[in-house]
Amino acid sequence: EPEVTQTPSHQVTQMGQEVILRCVPISNHLYFYWYRQILGQKVEFLVSFYNNEISEKSEIFDDQFSVERPDGSNFTLKIRSTKLEDSAMYFCASRGQEDTEAFFGQGTRLTVV
Amino acid sequence: AQSVSQHNHHVILSEAASLELGCNYSYGGTVNLFWYVQYPGQHLQLLLKYFSGDPLVKGIKGFEAEFIKSKFSFNLRKPSVQWSDTAEYFCAVNALGGYSTLTFGKGTMLLVSP
Repeated sequence: EPEVTQTPSHQVTQMGQEVILRCVPISNHLYFYWYRQILGQKVEFLVSFYNNEISEKSEIFDDQFSVERPDGSNFTLKIRSTKLEDSAMYFCASRGQEDTEAFFGQGTRLTVV
Repeated sequence: AQSVSQHNHHVILSEAASLELGCNYSYGGTVNLFWYVQYPGQHLQLLLKYFSGDPLVKGIKGFEAEFIKSKFSFNLRKPSVQWSDTAEYFCAVNALGGYSTLTFGKGTMLLVSP
């Protein structure tokens, strides 16, 4: 069964460092998303991506964040200068078409120290 | 923008007990509704979904949910829970059409004791 894969599963980084979280969405999907879940809190939307551009972003997704689909298969989330409060589980998701369910990856646990 | 409210943050049940988790949403238009489950250490998995048609939808592992439009509710039910149902359950909604984003509730942590 096709699935969304994310790497790495865990990432520890020092405050101020840049991190890139990687995702490989399901191959024929068109819509891509990043969500995050701070420990003990709800899953929060960060950004959606369609047709090679950002279609929607939340207030959380400030100038420190960027997304890219560099090669038609990977979908990356970059945090330029990490802060302690960026520590969270980051989930990538993809959808094939309008009005279908999103499929989630297993997440990357980011710890900023 | 839509919002989702889940009434219970933590639920503790014994095996074979019945389960009902409440979910209400706020949005002025037509929505798709979902319940996702997150087992310990695993990713979010779709439990069931409602797009249209019969408001009573059946999902995996014996779960079902009923969409009551007049109450803006989409409660999750299971007649008899098992220890393996221990997980966090998230209700989610998205507006109809396009790339529309999923908005999640805060989640309900279900602990089933054997």
